[in-house]
Amino acid sequence: GIQVEQSPPDLILQEGANSTLRCNFSDSVNNLQWFHQNPWGQLINLFYIPSGTKQNGRLSATTVATERYSLLYISSSQTTDSGVYFCAVDRGANNLFFGTGTRLTVIP
Amino acid sequence: DAGITQSPRHKVTETGTPVTLRCHQTENHRYMYWYRQDPGHGLRLIHYSYGVKDTDKGEVSDGYSVSRSKTEDFLLTLESATSSQTSVYFCAISEYGTGHQRSLHFGNGTRLTVT
Repeated sequence: GIQVEQSPPDLILQEGANSTLRCNFSDSVNNLQWFHQNPWGQLINLFYIPSGTKQNGRLSATTVATERYSLLYISSSQTTDSGVYFCAVDRGANNLFFGTGTRLTVIP
Repeated sequence: DAGITQSPRHKVTETGTPVTLRCHQTENHRYMYWYRQDPGHGLRLIHYSYGVKDTDKGEVSDGYSVSRSKTEDFLLTLESATSSQTSVYFCAISEYGTGHQRSLHFGNGTRLTVT
């Protein structure tokens, strides 16, 4: 399968700070998605972004497919942004490979 | 809200007993998936379905079977539960958008403990 590495593994921020999360993957992909798992365990789809840039409020994501990485930007972080952020990729075979996540803690 | 309901939400069972987890969706999505989540491993695909009675294995399918007799229901069965199957199980659907967009959306999970 495709190897997915996320960094950093843990991140602690003061409320209002900005952050960048990175996802590296080992092969070309057709599908890249970012998810947020909140402290209650719910998994929320943030972005479908196999290439290019998208923005949704304070969150944005950029995927550079030719260089096999994606970045998730969180601006003006809030305590509700806390949780684990997962990147997942596939090559169109209906098997998304997940990274092990970045755990974000936002302190008030 | 992708209209996905998992049941039960929590279950404790003994080694060797059969267990069935249910996933129900209300929006007629063709593709449904079962993942397990374990510390240090992220989420891993167990089985998926691409239509009624059409299923295929994922990367960690040993010890699990699935069935899909109706579009809205996807069942995951552990024929004889083992302690290594203690995990959080998530059901998901693929939502198709414009072009080739396929977004995965998850249910709220089932926490299974095998003692």
